[in-house]
Amino acid sequence: GNSVTQMEGPVTLSEEAFLTINCTYTATGYPSLFWYVQYPGEGLQLLLKATKADDKGSNKGFEATYRKETTSFHLEKGSVQVSDSAVYFCALVDRLGSGSARQLTFGSGTQLTVLP
Amino acid sequence: NAGVTQTPKFQVLKTGQSMTLQCAQDMNHNSMYWYRQDPGMGLRLIYYSASEGTTDKGEVPNGYNVSRLNKREFSLRLESAAPSQTSVYFCASSEDAAYSGREYFGPGTRLLVL
Repeated sequence: GNSVTQMEGPVTLSEEAFLTINCTYTATGYPSLFWYVQYPGEGLQLLLKATKADDKGSNKGFEATYRKETTSFHLEKGSVQVSDSAVYFCALVDRLGSGSARQLTFGSGTQLTVLP
Repeated sequence: NAGVTQTPKFQVLKTGQSMTLQCAQDMNHNSMYWYRQDPGMGLRLIYYSASEGTTDKGEVPNGYNVSRLNKREFSLRLESAAPSQTSVYFCASSEDAAYSGREYFGPGTRLLVL
């Protein structure tokens, strides 16, 4: 089946440092790819997405490019802030059952801590 | 708009006890989901409901039952809790008219089974 592999954390950076969180996937077709973020004590929320090869998703200074040739969707930010401290999940859309419903398949998550 | 709400926020159970986790959404979404989150394992789908009146098993359904009470509410029941069910449980919903991958998550229920 489809799967998502993320770099293991935790990741600790100083404010204004460059961030990369690696994500690779295994899929039989051409899935849509997502990054979700979970701030402390909250549920997950969508950060960005890309639906086809070479698409770049971006939001709040974060970017990720859908690379079909390397089956990757790495998350980057040029200058992190303390408020970016959270857990980041890479995910892809899989097919659910035999109908048209879809299911998100998540990676294991990467904890990011940004120090002032 | 409250979005997705879950109750309770935290619960401690003894092995063998039962409980129901409640979830409600006010976004008129068709699909709802229950996930569990365990350290190092990301989120795993327990059950989902693609529309009112339907429910289906996800990746890890054993030990759980669900009820889609109406379009707004989707509950998760543990009939006989086990320590392996200690986890954080998230409910989510999506519009699913043309599934976009955007799910809206509740704040979670932290469950400890002793």
